[in-house]
Amino acid sequence: KAGVTQTPRYLIKTRGQQVTLSCSPISGHRSVSWYQQTPGQGLQFLFEYFSETQRNKGNFPGRFSGRQFSNSRSEMNVSTLELGDSALYLCASSQGGFSSYNEQFFGPGTRLTVL
Amino acid sequence: DQQVKQNSPSLSVQEGRISILNCDYTNSMFDYFLWYKKYPAEGPTFLISISSIKDKNEDGRFTVFLNKSAKHLSLHIVPSQPGDSAVYFCAAPRVGGSTLGRLYFGRGTQLTVWP
Repeated sequence: KAGVTQTPRYLIKTRGQQVTLSCSPISGHRSVSWYQQTPGQGLQFLFEYFSETQRNKGNFPGRFSGRQFSNSRSEMNVSTLELGDSALYLCASSQGGFSSYNEQFFGPGTRLTVL
Repeated sequence: DQQVKQNSPSLSVQEGRISILNCDYTNSMFDYFLWYKKYPAEGPTFLISISSIKDKNEDGRFTVFLNKSAKHLSLHIVPSQPGDSAVYFCAAPRVGGSTLGRLYFGRGTQLTVWP
C-alpha cells in the first residue's frame, strides 16, 4: 500500500508570493491533517479535512488555507508569504473515524524556504 | 498552548545503555499517548502508544510508562543503538468534539546514540 505523498518536496519562494502544497493520502483514508514544523517548535497543527470539509483548525492566520477534494487529496495554500513561514509542512492521513483515535501516517513533508 | 511538553531538547547516550525520554502534559482530558520518531528529511513515524487505562506498554526494545497522577510519560529504549538517533516526539490526541484529527505534539527530543 503506497504511503502518504507530498509534492513538491522542496520549494523556494520570496516574500509576498503565494504557494500551494499538495498531499495525497493513503488509499482509503478520508482524513488529512496538516502540520507546520519549525526549529524548536515541534509540530503545530494547521487544520484537518475530512470528506472535503474542514473539521478542525489550529491557531494560524487566515493566510493559511486548505481544501480537500472528493478523492481525499488535499492542498494547502499560503498567501502573502512571510519569512517566518519558512518551515517543513507535513501532512498526515488517517481513516478519520469519529469515536476513537485513528493512527495518523505522515508524509515526508515539503520544505518551504521564503527569501 | 503547549499542552504536551518535552523539556529536554537533546539527549546523548552511549550505545547499549538505556535512553529515557520524558514528556509531560497538562490536559487531563488526554487519554491516549503516542511516540513518534523522526529522521531528517522524513516524516514522523509511529513508534509506540499507550492508553490511559494502562501504566506500561512494551514493544521490543521500547517501553512507554504512564503516570497519570503526575501527568507524565516516559519512553525507555533498551539497549540503545546508533540507528535510534533521531528526534522523538510525544503526542496526544483528544477524541471527540472539535479536536478530531488533531495531534498535540511536544517540541521533540533529539536523541544521539554514540558508539
